Amino acid sequence: QSVLTQPPSVSGAPGQRVTISCTGSSSNIGAGYDVHWYQQLPGTAPKLLIYGNTNRPSGVPDRFSGSKSGTSASLAITGLQAEDEADYYCQSYDNSLSGSPVVFGGGTKLTVL
Amino acid sequence: QVTLRESGPALVKPTQTLTLTCTFSGFTLDTSGLCVSWIRQPPGKALEWLARIDWDGDKYYSTSLKTRLTISRDTSKNQVVLTMTNMDPVDTATYYCARSIAAAYDSWGQGTLVTVSS
Repeated sequence: QSVLTQPPSVSGAPGQRVTISCTGSSSNIGAGYDVHWYQQLPGTAPKLLIYGNTNRPSGVPDRFSGSKSGTSASLAITGLQAEDEADYYCQSYDNSLSGSPVVFGGGTKLTVL
Repeated sequence: QVTLRESGPALVKPTQTLTLTCTFSGFTLDTSGLCVSWIRQPPGKALEWLARIDWDGDKYYSTSLKTRLTISRDTSKNQVVLTMTNMDPVDTATYYCARSIAAAYDSWGQGTLVTVSS
């Protein structure tokens, strides 16, 4: 059971827009900690996609965008492409004394139909 | 160019101690704000954060695994080492080391698959 909750799967047709949610609590996202997003293509290491809630590293297409509100965050992908098919993870910091300081979501598998 | 590479045994027996080494280049771990973490991923499952060592030597561990984990660094060799005691088949996973700045992991190693089996 991950501290951050993501939908197990989402899908969309090429060209469409999809969003992936990441729901936390008052000890992580709701406490004001940044949310970061990673893309993991099959058989490869995760790659930083969004940092600090809304920022894209150099080289990441502007089709990818992030947002955060309250205890949740979202990743939006517009103009879906076949190459976007991957697993996506959110990550944040948690100040709960009973948990680990760094927490990941359970991951969302994106299927491009 | 920042690179990280994990090395260690591909197979360990139950109850044994696992030692993994992360060798990195393109940065030095004594640079303010930089950290190196270990993160694992069981086959077909989600990422799980294990431990972190910071530029100032501070160390942080997964609450559920802290009694089994030790993270250390050799600044002169640009290496971070993770040891995990009392390995169990449920610890079978790909183990990644990754660099973080301001809590985001901007560079990852390729990962090393560790199988725990007798």
